[in-house]
Amino acid sequence: KQEVTQIPAALSVPEGENLVLNCSFTDSAIYNLQWFRQDPGKGLTSLLLIQSSQREQTSGRLNASLDKSSGRSTLYIAASQPGDSATYLCAVHGTSYGKLTFGQGTILTVHP
Amino acid sequence: DARVTQTPRHKVTEMGQEVTMRCQPILGHNTVFWYRQTMMQGLELLAYFRNRAPLDDSGMPKDRFSAEMPDATLATLKIQPSEPRDSAVYFCASGLVTGSSYEQYFGPGTRLTVT
Repeated sequence: KQEVTQIPAALSVPEGENLVLNCSFTDSAIYNLQWFRQDPGKGLTSLLLIQSSQREQTSGRLNASLDKSSGRSTLYIAASQPGDSATYLCAVHGTSYGKLTFGQGTILTVHP
Repeated sequence: DARVTQTPRHKVTEMGQEVTMRCQPILGHNTVFWYRQTMMQGLELLAYFRNRAPLDDSGMPKDRFSAEMPDATLATLKIQPSEPRDSAVYFCASGLVTGSSYEQYFGPGTRLTVT
């Protein structure tokens, strides 16, 4: 059974810092990996999708990497801003199309 | 801009009552998912459909939960009878499986409180 772990569970940083969120998964037979953002009381917003054949994806200040063989992904946020404060969730798609297994999330707080 | 919609956004009901949650997936998407989110368990997959056919509902308590897709524009999740432990946020998500690219898009959720 696939298990996804995110470290740290919570992170508080001053504005402007670069930061890294970590995600690990136990079964490397994945189809792809998706990073989401969730604001309090809201739904999930997809940030980045990395296919299993890719090593990384970038969108603006966000960069996500994937090392499938070691079961790890990182989300790098450059020059963090207070508006980045949210919960960040990592989810892996198993090889049976579409089934997502989520980590517990990292709660990020960026203070001015 | 295409998005997944869910109704109602909030529902408060008494134990034993029937609850029906609805989802309109993004037009053209061929997969629909129901998830439940709680503080203790995080996000759990309850059921998913591909081309309106149920492919996996192993995460769903079968005795009280049922999920259907009467047509391509509507997915429903029903709880009968509801219990306090069903209190959670229920998310619907849809996606389009095309070759090597696949991404899920989530609705805003239905916050259910069972008293």
